[in-house]
Amino acid sequence: QSALTQPPSASGSPGQSVTISCTGTSSDVGAYNYVSWYQQYPGKAPKLMIYEVSKRPSGVPDRFSASKSGNTASLTVSGLQAEDEADYYCSSYTGSDNLLFGGGTKLTVL
Amino acid sequence: EVQLLESGGGLVQPGGSLRLSCAASGFSFSSYAMTWVRQAPGKGLEWVSCIRGSGLGTYYADSVKGRFTISRDNSKSTLYLQMSSLRAEDTAIYYCAKGQTTGSHWGQGTLVTVSS
Repeated sequence: QSALTQPPSASGSPGQSVTISCTGTSSDVGAYNYVSWYQQYPGKAPKLMIYEVSKRPSGVPDRFSASKSGNTASLTVSGLQAEDEADYYCSSYTGSDNLLFGGGTKLTVL
Repeated sequence: EVQLLESGGGLVQPGGSLRLSCAASGFSFSSYAMTWVRQAPGKGLEWVSCIRGSGLGTYYADSVKGRFTISRDNSKSTLYLQMSSLRAEDTAIYYCAKGQTTGSHWGQGTLVTVSS
């Protein structure tokens, strides 16, 4: 299976909102409500930001929100802050008991 | 507090073997599926393998099927990944993560370098 499709980069100024897309197929993103989003700083492990399409784990700021429509999931970061600059990855359960990741999006805060 | 600590990485020659470990604490280990994810240098995340909490049910990416074996010792709260017939393209940081459909917590990773 091919990786989920994410834009390689995204950017926004402090205070603005930015949305990152994650496109899959009817066999993964479109089939299951098991889409997750991870934040990764350089040299660090990924951190879960969103699970089951739109749920935020405890401790994740509510500036981070997410949704899904058809085969495309989206992560929105509102009120951008300098600390949001990182790589973001989506993942989706695909059935067959495996996961598929997106290629990652580098978010730059201008 | 959930903690995952990987170990066992290192430099290995092509065709060689290596066993990674992931020591877990802070949660009921046997109640959760566990997952290995890897990240090649400068690249994205790649799902490698998953094992059910009971250990009865193991799943692999096509890229490692037949070469890697995932296992767990619930009495020791430890996850393993036995890697054999290693190739240069297996060079990556290997992370263990709690969960199957979502990696709710991740270890810091252990670097595996396959090179002669």
